[in-house]
Amino acid sequence: QLQLQESGPGLVKPAETLSLTCIVSGGSISSSNYYWAWIRQPPGKGLEWIGSVYYNGNTYYNPSLTSRVTISVDKSNNQVSLRLSSVTAADTALYYCARHTATVTTRWFDLWGQGTLVTVSS
Amino acid sequence: DIQMTQFPSSLSASVGDRVSITCRTSQSISNFLNWYQHKPGKAPKLLIYAASSLQSGVPSRFSGSGSGTDFTLTISSLQLEDFATYYCQQSYSVPPYTFGQGTKLEIK
Repeated sequence: QLQLQESGPGLVKPAETLSLTCIVSGGSISSSNYYWAWIRQPPGKGLEWIGSVYYNGNTYYNPSLTSRVTISVDKSNNQVSLRLSSVTAADTALYYCARHTATVTTRWFDLWGQGTLVTVSS
Repeated sequence: DIQMTQFPSSLSASVGDRVSITCRTSQSISNFLNWYQHKPGKAPKLLIYAASSLQSGVPSRFSGSGSGTDFTLTISSLQLEDFATYYCQQSYSVPPYTFGQGTKLEIK
């Protein structure tokens, strides 16, 4: 059974880079059927899609974050990484890793991790 | 970006009640609308995809309807385990994927 598990520092200082990893277990990240995404939820707010990566490294990002975001895939370790630079308190959020299908007509998030809380504070 | 307006933002109901949650989009999205259930500390769960298709393993008391700009998630007979926050999400025009602000379903 495929599972996603996010990990990374729970506290990041303002202006630094947030780095998170999502380990995919129980299946291969190299499936041509799926993209792997990062989604976040600031405290008391709704969900915001950050970006998605395909197993071959192709990415697309939320235009509101694209200047600060890098999402990459590590096929040898079956994991997906998120880097968000120049963070501020507004980046404090619960960060989720999720999977969505690759075809245009079937793009829903059918599998999620439990999330990891990142606080931006000095 | 396509804006998602979800209402009500919160809802109190009793076990056995029938409840409906509405999601309205800022432009027509055909049936590219999905619904999720989220409980604190848990991974969000896909309930309904393509507006009305039930995800495998989801109880049949959940149903979705609508197309264009107006969509509804209905729970026919609330169970204790259904008290959670529900989100709609569009996949018609991306990037970005956008979500509604959520509806918190609470026990009356």
